[in-house]
Amino acid sequence: GAVVSQHPSRVICKSGTSVKIECRSLDFQATTMFWYRQFPKKSLMLMATSNEGSKATYEQGVEKDKFLINHASLTLSTLTVTSAHPEDSSFYICSAANGIRGNTIYFGEGSWLTVV
Amino acid sequence: RKEVEQDPGPFNVPEGATVAFNCTYSNSASQSFFWYRQDCRKEPKLLMSVYSSGNEDGRFTAQLNRASQYISLLIRDSKLSDSATYLCAVNMLNSGGSNYKLTFGKGTLLTVNP
Repeated sequence: GAVVSQHPSRVICKSGTSVKIECRSLDFQATTMFWYRQFPKKSLMLMATSNEGSKATYEQGVEKDKFLINHASLTLSTLTVTSAHPEDSSFYICSAANGIRGNTIYFGEGSWLTVV
Repeated sequence: RKEVEQDPGPFNVPEGATVAFNCTYSNSASQSFFWYRQDCRKEPKLLMSVYSSGNEDGRFTAQLNRASQYISLLIRDSKLSDSATYLCAVNMLNSGGSNYKLTFGKGTLLTVNP
């Protein structure tokens, strides 16, 4: 069964609204979670590293104010896409690491976001 | 230079063929290496880790060359069900040096034909 659960799996929202995606580790505590975005036929691009109890570390070119990440507990990280635009439509995937080195990485099922 | 570069493909092979995927990575301090398989519109799933001595799992063989900074995946006797996108991934320290992050290659689409 899944060890990392992501919700919702699909969401359609109107342009200008905000959407929240949740990532939960089901049977382990994840001190670190990662958020990726994948456009059709493209690779997974790391957006940010989410650290429990502290600020997320964003990759170069990712807008912190647009993609809000909150990792308030050891089993939950959320990604909020604020003021969504059609170009934000993508497949968003989280992964969770058990430990700082993250040698064991588990992926969520992904969330398809469509902004209309 | 990109952190992880992968053969672009795509590869179209007949059943039973042997196919090889290669990736190079730029950060010599990278710690661990993986191959993932991703089916269309799904999340990536770990296929195998890559160890320094090379490792094999059935029809799949993974190798690591730290001196040349590349990893490879060999699939023997390919099956129709092997059709997917294969991504290499490298675990390396992030820019701040505080955490490890898994960086993926672009992926190579494999289609195995009957």
